Amino acid sequence: DAGVIQSPRHEVTEMGQEVTLRCKPISGHDYLFWYRQTMMRGLELLIYFNNNVPIDDSGMPEDRFSAKMPNASFSTLKIQPSEPRDSAVYFCASRGISTEAFFGQGTRLTVV
Amino acid sequence: AQSVTQLDSQVPVFEEAPVELRCNYSSSVSVYLFWYVQYPNQGLQLLLKYLSGSTLVKGINGFEAEFNKSQTSFHLRKPSVHISDTAEYFCAVSQRNNQGGKLIFGQGTELSVKP
Repeated sequence: DAGVIQSPRHEVTEMGQEVTLRCKPISGHDYLFWYRQTMMRGLELLIYFNNNVPIDDSGMPEDRFSAKMPNASFSTLKIQPSEPRDSAVYFCASRGISTEAFFGQGTRLTVV
Repeated sequence: AQSVTQLDSQVPVFEEAPVELRCNYSSSVSVYLFWYVQYPNQGLQLLLKYLSGSTLVKGINGFEAEFNKSQTSFHLRKPSVHISDTAEYFCAVSQRNNQGGKLIFGQGTELSVKP
């Protein structure tokens, strides 16, 4: 398996634009996580899914953020409209039952 | 709900010296515990994990950690560090009761190894 795959690796966008981050988890994993990493706040859990169903989205900062998992092999995190304070590295991770999480390489988002 | 506290935000150490990175957790139920390492501009990589059994777990790159249930700690140790160990280290916890779903991370400890 190629591991967790995220795209794009880097994204630069203007304030107000819609941004979509993509993730392909490891095949067979039941859980998928979206994290945001910043210097100020560290690694924050935004939302996680179990068997494609959102279980806990209490970390999503506001309504501008939304995440979907239409099937077991794909998830998106969307920000609309984007703001400069959304600039961060966004990580996707997946795990099986009672195992460790495997992380993607991250998407570095810059909103100008 | 569970939480993780990493007691040191930065740990400077000289090459070949021992190091301990401290982690305490809080949870009302039994937990799984993990240490991850992040090198610059990369994702997180698993160092070691405690799921059950022996409380002393060994991981990659010569690291080990000890689970102490009474002190709710999971400190990471290495007897002799190398320059290449310079990175950020994260402690993480998930609860056992729902088969280990939600994974919560500490704030991270930046380990800086100096020659």
